[in-house]
Amino acid sequence: EAGVAQSPRYKIIEKRQSVAFWCNPISGHATLYWYQQILGQGPKLLIQFQNNGVVDDSQLPKDRFSAERLKGVDSTLKIQPAKLEDSAVYLCASSPQDRADYEQYFGPGTRLTVT
Amino acid sequence: AQSVTQLGSHVSVSEGALVLLRCNYSSSVPPYLFWYVQYPNQGLQLLLKYTTGATLVKGINGFEAEFKKSETSFHLTKPSAHMSDAAEYFCAVKRGSTLGRLYFGRGTQLTVWP
Repeated sequence: EAGVAQSPRYKIIEKRQSVAFWCNPISGHATLYWYQQILGQGPKLLIQFQNNGVVDDSQLPKDRFSAERLKGVDSTLKIQPAKLEDSAVYLCASSPQDRADYEQYFGPGTRLTVT
Repeated sequence: AQSVTQLGSHVSVSEGALVLLRCNYSSSVPPYLFWYVQYPNQGLQLLLKYTTGATLVKGINGFEAEFKKSETSFHLTKPSAHMSDAAEYFCAVKRGSTLGRLYFGRGTQLTVWP
């Protein structure tokens, strides 16, 4: 089966600009996650969707970050306006259901550089 | 609250030597534990996981890990390192409930010398 797809793979923007990332999860996976991975750190959850509803967005900086999952399939993560500290790899993951014993499948990530 | 501590941000071994990557966790409930591997410019791939049952878990590529509740540890081992094992390894924990959120450690970069 096809894995989690993400685009673009790389993006360079200037601070205060806007950027959007796209994720297509594995077909049939109800749960979708967005993680931020800053260089030298482990991934940190930004937001979790169950179908098209938000389950957990407690770590999402809502003044500049937004995310949606229309129709419970694809998802878009947006940053507006970007700051230097947003430079990171943004990982999308999906899972069949929101269960602790289920594996999360990760996409290749989008590497964002903010200058 | 959950947290994961990976001792040693960099580990270097010779090809054929034992690989030992350390992970300790704190959790207020029985944890579900995972090891992921990340190759350069790629996403994370699951190596192995502990949910319930046998505390010695075998994964892909010859890796295994043992859940030790008394030590709150889940160290990753491989008897004989291969050059292709060079990558970054992340330990992660979930609560023992329905929520699927992963809490990751900071990662350990494994270098394998010929």
